[in-house]
Amino acid sequence: GAGVSQSPSNKVTEKGKDVELRCDPISGHTALYWYRQRLGQGLEFLIYFQGNSAPDKSGLPSDRFSAERTGESVSTLTIQRTQQEDSAVYLCASSRGGEQYFGPGTRLTVT
Amino acid sequence: QKEVEQDPGPLSVPEGAIVSLNCTYSNSAFQYFMWYRQYSRKGPELLMYTYSSGNKEDGRFTAQVDKSSKYISLFIRDSQPSDSATYLCATQRSRGNEKLTFGTGTRLTIIP
Repeated sequence: GAGVSQSPSNKVTEKGKDVELRCDPISGHTALYWYRQRLGQGLEFLIYFQGNSAPDKSGLPSDRFSAERTGESVSTLTIQRTQQEDSAVYLCASSRGGEQYFGPGTRLTVT
Repeated sequence: QKEVEQDPGPLSVPEGAIVSLNCTYSNSAFQYFMWYRQYSRKGPELLMYTYSSGNKEDGRFTAQVDKSSKYISLFIRDSQPSDSATYLCATQRSRGNEKLTFGTGTRLTIIP
């Protein structure tokens, strides 16, 4: 079956602009996670959804970052007023309660 | 101090060699330990997971956890060029719906 998909695969934006990143989880997966991977770094947790509620948003680095999820389906991560330090690969994962399956990521470059 | 420490490498070994990858962690609440493999421009994929201390073997791969020293290892036997990737260790307190805490990843190259 289809895996986790993310769009766009690449995004170049100017400093100060807002961006929206999309994640389509595996069908039937109730849990959805966003992680960020900066160059040469491991994955940093951002936020976790169970259904459309977010019981853990402790990893969001600032109030410029927000995310929402529609039911047990697509999720959108929004970064407002982007800064150069936001440049990273943003990865989404979904799970049915065990293994987390990752998408290919969105590579965000802020110029 | 990061909760999970991992030498970023890079590590280069000749084909057929045994590879040893390691992580240390600081939080004794971690109970589940995983190794992910990430090819360039791809998302991580789960290679192995282990609960608590002990060994787990899957083909050419062996994962070891020593909770007394908070040390996690992955061994790759008879390494192949296709094993060239970044290997990330990860931990969780429980196996349910919970975030993963990752090391920085070790970039491994197997030289034919």
